[in-house]
Amino acid sequence: DAGVTQSPTHLIKTRGQQVTLRCSPKSGHDTVSWYQQALGQGPQFIFQYYEEEERQRGNFPDRFSGHQFPNYSSELNVNALLLGDSALYLCASSLEWVGNEQFFGPGTRLTVL
Amino acid sequence: QKEVEQNSGPLSVPEGAIASLNCTYSDRGSQSFFWYRQYSGKSPELIMFIYSNGDKEDGRFTAQLNKASQYVSLLIRDSQPSDSATYLCAVNGETSGSRLTFGEGTQLTVNP
Repeated sequence: DAGVTQSPTHLIKTRGQQVTLRCSPKSGHDTVSWYQQALGQGPQFIFQYYEEEERQRGNFPDRFSGHQFPNYSSELNVNALLLGDSALYLCASSLEWVGNEQFFGPGTRLTVL
Repeated sequence: QKEVEQNSGPLSVPEGAIASLNCTYSDRGSQSFFWYRQYSGKSPELIMFIYSNGDKEDGRFTAQLNKASQYVSLLIRDSQPSDSATYLCAVNGETSGSRLTFGEGTQLTVNP
């Protein structure tokens, strides 16, 4: 039973570039949430996808966008990268109902130079 | 006031001792409470969740919830050096939907 997978593991970009991160949820899970974790901080909620729609969004600018595919996998896109976007990006999968446990993937470490 | 606050660390305990990690939350509508363990350079790993007032035990871990006091804690009995990590408290509920709101974490070191 595969857990949550994310790609790539590490990524280095320069300011102004665009990046796409990918996530495949745990087998049987239908909901994907994305979080940003800066060094020394707790994860911050970016958005959540269910049934290929963005269901909920945190306090992130429109530069952050996403998508969910029919197989429940998901992408996070960030445009016009800023130095402050450097962080660990975490994908979490869960079953669709409030309160259910969310399981994290290994994360993608993004460095913006 | 932060939505989720954890006791400031770092916390250091000797091997075999009980480690106590505390968390308070501001949203009275919160319904679900989670503890994640995060090793340095790794992603968070879910170790406990609790929905009802009282205690929930799983091996060496006990989660305690007091909704009236808006307080949740994690006790680790017989602490081992392998328990050394950052522990994250996370909360969700009616007003937050299914998103998790995390505290900043408490770094625990268990000394052999």
